[in-house]
Amino acid sequence: DTGVSQDPRHKITKRGQNVTFRCDPISEHNRLYWYRQTLGQGPEFLTYFQNEAQLEKSRLLSDRFSAERPKGSFSTLEIQRTEQGDSAMYLCASSPTRDGRSSYNEQFFGPGTRLTVL
Amino acid sequence: EDQVTQSPEALRLQEGESSSLNCSYTVSGLRGLFWYRQDPGKGPEFLFTLYSAGEEKEKERLKATLTKKESFLHITAPKPEDSATYLCAVQDRDSNSGYALNFGKGTSLLVTP
Repeated sequence: DTGVSQDPRHKITKRGQNVTFRCDPISEHNRLYWYRQTLGQGPEFLTYFQNEAQLEKSRLLSDRFSAERPKGSFSTLEIQRTEQGDSAMYLCASSPTRDGRSSYNEQFFGPGTRLTVL
Repeated sequence: EDQVTQSPEALRLQEGESSSLNCSYTVSGLRGLFWYRQDPGKGPEFLFTLYSAGEEKEKERLKATLTKKESFLHITAPKPEDSATYLCAVQDRDSNSGYALNFGKGTSLLVTP
């Protein structure tokens, strides 16, 4: 399977603990995105990387959240001092950049990591 | 601020009963409008991208159309396996998050035999 993969698929943690999620994008996709989705809502944008550079961050990404993409391959999303309001599905997506049409790209999503904060 | 509104929130159809889902959007400059399908507990699955008013795309029983203010996802003769939540999203080239997808809340479709 050459799609976007995420690990773990489920995470249960206690309030105040730190958690880290991993995303492996589709091979050769140089753009990688993180979204958060709560029940009954559409996904909400958190942050975006082009290769290893983090280019955009949503105001939803508080200082307890940090994302990295070393070497422009996989990415990690860390949440420090988790709160119950952080409970959600965390989705990763990737997309290619096409010469001459770099703005026009489809984002392909992984299966998500469901976080439950007790 | 960009807005995406989907209607209806939920739709129940009998197998074979065609219908349409609506996505109304407000953006400064549309870079693209995207349709996704999402099954419970899974990530969104890409269906279509539409770039300009008048454009149409089809895939099996699904057809997506685009105007300057809204998009429709037409479902012809649906089957129970078409049951899912259908999400609409836009990219606004004039926003700070130029590549972020701004999603609506989705339409939950149930097709009964």
